[in-house]
Amino acid sequence: KAGVTQTPRYLIKTRGQQVTLSCSPISGHRSVSWYQQTPGQGLQFLFEYFSETQRNKGNFPGRFSGRQFSNSRSEMNVSTLELGDSALYLCASSLIGADTEAFFGQGTRLTVV
Amino acid sequence: AQRVTQPEKLLSVFKGAPVELKCNYSYSGSPELFWYVQYSRQRLQLLLRHISRESIKGFTADLNKGETSFHLKKPFAQEEDSAMYYCALHLRNFNKFYFGSGTKLNVKP
Repeated sequence: KAGVTQTPRYLIKTRGQQVTLSCSPISGHRSVSWYQQTPGQGLQFLFEYFSETQRNKGNFPGRFSGRQFSNSRSEMNVSTLELGDSALYLCASSLIGADTEAFFGQGTRLTVV
Repeated sequence: AQRVTQPEKLLSVFKGAPVELKCNYSYSGSPELFWYVQYSRQRLQLLLRHISRESIKGFTADLNKGETSFHLKKPFAQEEDSAMYYCALHLRNFNKFYFGSGTKLNVKP
């Protein structure tokens, strides 16, 4: 079956702009999580969605938001971009339960100039 | 607070040598621990999880609750093992992973 798909793979934006990233989970997975990966901070949890509801949120400013659609696809939005938002944004989908494995997409590389 | 620590940023070994990637965690509950691996230009993927107690690609990891550790071991490293390795703590109730900062394993010929 198809893996987690993230689009676009690469983005270049200027400071102050906003950006929307998309994630299509594995079929049947209703939980979608987003992570930010940077060389300095590693992998940091942004938020998790399940059945169109944000259940958990990491320590990121309100400029970072997301949503999930009825087909479990998810989008992440970052407004008023800052240089420090440059990172690889990873999406992961999973089932719910004990010891559940997270399946990751290849990520969207966002560069803010 | 939950935390995962991987003390080594880079580990270089020769092919055929044993390798141990260290991981320590901080969590008051019953931990669910994973090792993820990221090969060059590939996506992050699961290597193994503590609950299954299996060996994947020759790697094993034992959960030591007394030392709060989940070190990854392989007796004979191969060049194809070169990759970034991340230890991760899963909080089931929040379906949230805490990742360590990662260890880059470099296996030299």
